[in-house]
Amino acid sequence: KQEVTQIPAALSVPEGENLVLNCSFTDSAIYNLQWFRQDPGKGLTSLLLIQSSQREQTSGRLNASLDKSSGRSTLYIAASQPGDSATYLCAVRGAGNMLTFGGGTRLMVKP
Amino acid sequence: DGGITQSPKYLFRKEGQNVTLSCEQNLNHDAMYWYRQDPGQGLRLIYYSQIVNDFQKGDIAEGYSVSREKKESFPLTVTSAQKNPTAFYLCASTWDSLIYTGELFFGEGSRLTVL
Repeated sequence: KQEVTQIPAALSVPEGENLVLNCSFTDSAIYNLQWFRQDPGKGLTSLLLIQSSQREQTSGRLNASLDKSSGRSTLYIAASQPGDSATYLCAVRGAGNMLTFGGGTRLMVKP
Repeated sequence: DGGITQSPKYLFRKEGQNVTLSCEQNLNHDAMYWYRQDPGQGLRLIYYSQIVNDFQKGDIAEGYSVSREKKESFPLTVTSAQKNPTAFYLCASTWDSLIYTGELFFGEGSRLTVL
C-alpha cells in the first residue's frame, strides 16, 4: 500500500527566505504527483502537477521536482512571503488511479 | 466560472439524524471523490465515482452513502450509523482518463458538527 510522508510537519521561516518542502512515497509506480495549498478552513488549491515522465514543473516562485526512483519530490518556494503561510500537501496517483495524500507541512512565514 | 461547489459550508446536526452534503461541478469531469479531513490527520477517501450510476467505497465508507445520477453531481449522505461524523468534508473531481492531466480540483469544503 502506498504511503506518503511529508517532513517537516511544521516550518517557520522569516520573510524572504528560500525554502524546500519534502514529500516521500514508498511505491515508485506512480502516474503523477500533485502539490496543493490549503488555507485554514478552506479547500485545497492545486499548485503544481508533475507527470511521472517529468522531472520538474515551475509556476512563478514555485518549483516542484520529482525523482521517482528514490520516491521523493520537493517543492521549492523562492523568496517566501507572509502570504505563502498555509499548509502544503502532496498527493501521488498510483495503482487503480487512486490518490494517496501526505499529512502536510504547515508553513508560517514571518514578516 | 468553472469549478466545484459544495454546500452547505457549515452544517450542524443532532445525533441520530442523517444529513446530505451537496457537491456540484461544471468542469465536465468524469470522476468525483469525497474526502474527510480531521485535525492532525491527512485526507481519507470516503467514496469515489468514475462514471454516472457507478461508485466505489474508499477507505472509510462505513456510515456514509452516495449517489451519482448525474455527471455533475455527487451528493454525500452522512447517516446516523457514522459514529464520529464531526469533520471537514471535501469534494474533488478530475478527468479519469490517463490521457489527460489527471489534475485533481477541490471544492471549498463543508464543515459538519454533531451537537
